[in-house]
Amino acid sequence: AQSVSQHNHHVILSEAASLELGCNYSYGGTVNLFWYVQYPGQHLQLLLKYFSGDPLVKGIKGFEAEFIKSKFSFNLRKPSVQWSDTAEYFCAVNARNQGGKLIFGQGTELSVKP
Amino acid sequence: ETGVTQTPRHLVMGMTNKKSLKCEQHLGHNAMYWYKQSAKKPLELMFVYSLEERVENNSVPSRFSPECPNSSHLFLHLHTLQPEDSALYLCASSQAPPGAYEQYFGPGTRLTVT
Repeated sequence: AQSVSQHNHHVILSEAASLELGCNYSYGGTVNLFWYVQYPGQHLQLLLKYFSGDPLVKGIKGFEAEFIKSKFSFNLRKPSVQWSDTAEYFCAVNARNQGGKLIFGQGTELSVKP
Repeated sequence: ETGVTQTPRHLVMGMTNKKSLKCEQHLGHNAMYWYKQSAKKPLELMFVYSLEERVENNSVPSRFSPECPNSSHLFLHLHTLQPEDSALYLCASSQAPPGAYEQYFGPGTRLTVT
């Protein structure tokens, strides 16, 4: 069965620190990849997406992610986090021959200390 | 952001009650989804509708019954639920076909079964 693994359940950083959140998936075919963010008290919002082309994708608020096909990974990065980045981050994968099935990771809670 | 709205936002129901969750999208999308978000577990896809036809039923118990009367509205009818069904139920929408485009999420209905 397909699965998505996020390595860190809770990450605590100070402002201006660099961030990297890991995401690995288990599916050998062609995939669409997403990172969603859920700020406290708000709904899930799309941060960035990868469908094809340049494996380094840029999203909103200075976030980027790199698709490494050989490693089945789609890690999220930000060079300098802010207190307002405190949120829960979800990686999600859609296998293109699986219709609308979007498989989510368990989420990583990011706490940024001012 | 009011692209996808859900009502009610909170619901408490007994195991013998019948209730319905409502979702409405104002984004002109043709695919809609129900997800279940339980504490400490990944989001679980329940149902997918594309062009008002159900295209995915992810082994969900029959006490959950979806309905999609048109491309803008999605319902989840609930009856004889169990306490373990308590969770946040999220609705999402996207362009069709499902999986080929990013999904936009509503704020969710927090359901408590007593």
